[in-house]
Amino acid sequence: SAVISQKPSRDICQRGTSLTIQCQVDSQVTMMFWYRQQPGQSLTLIATANQGSEATYESGFVIDKFPISRPNLTFSTLTVSNMSPEDSSIYLCSATSRVTNTEAFFGQGTRLTVV
Amino acid sequence: AQTVTQSQPEMSVQEAETVTLSCTYDTSESDYYLFWYKQPPSRQMILVIRQEAYKQQNATENRFSVNFQKAAKSFSLKISDSQLGDAAMYFCAYRSARLTGTASKLTFGTGTRLQVTL
Repeated sequence: SAVISQKPSRDICQRGTSLTIQCQVDSQVTMMFWYRQQPGQSLTLIATANQGSEATYESGFVIDKFPISRPNLTFSTLTVSNMSPEDSSIYLCSATSRVTNTEAFFGQGTRLTVV
Repeated sequence: AQTVTQSQPEMSVQEAETVTLSCTYDTSESDYYLFWYKQPPSRQMILVIRQEAYKQQNATENRFSVNFQKAAKSFSLKISDSQLGDAAMYFCAYRSARLTGTASKLTFGTGTRLQVTL
């Protein structure tokens, strides 16, 4: 299984600022994804991080608010821009193993609180 | 679009007993994967078990097994000999077998919170 390191694990941010979350995988993976989990809710996909090209965003999420980079096969970042209290959530990075190309593995998540 | 439904927001089981968590899904695809993930308070999403739709045999991983009914689009998780460490949120998830881009994303159910009592 792939080991995914995500940081920071938590942060408290002022409204109007931006936070960049990093995701590092210990082995080559095929797909990388970013999910949001609002308090007490399920996971919702924000976007698919594509290597060397623009991310593919799900309905309701836009690049200006959630810019994503993936400069190589094992690293991606998600920025939450111009934050408001409604952005307070857990953000999770996920990757699909290149070996099996089936199950997805997750980072430990970033708990973001916007005040 | 695929949907995943978990109709049990909360379940409780006594230690050493057996509990079954329900999941149904809707899809027009014939080839896909189904998963159960566990999320303890630490937030880490942990893969519990997976099932390939083309396999008729139900998947088993130690104390965890599934009852996969493809025609009924049902995918329940049975936990045997429940332990205190099994207490967590459990999410059922669907993934297309197509490998291209966003098609390989996971679609999650709303989750079932499992309590394990002494």
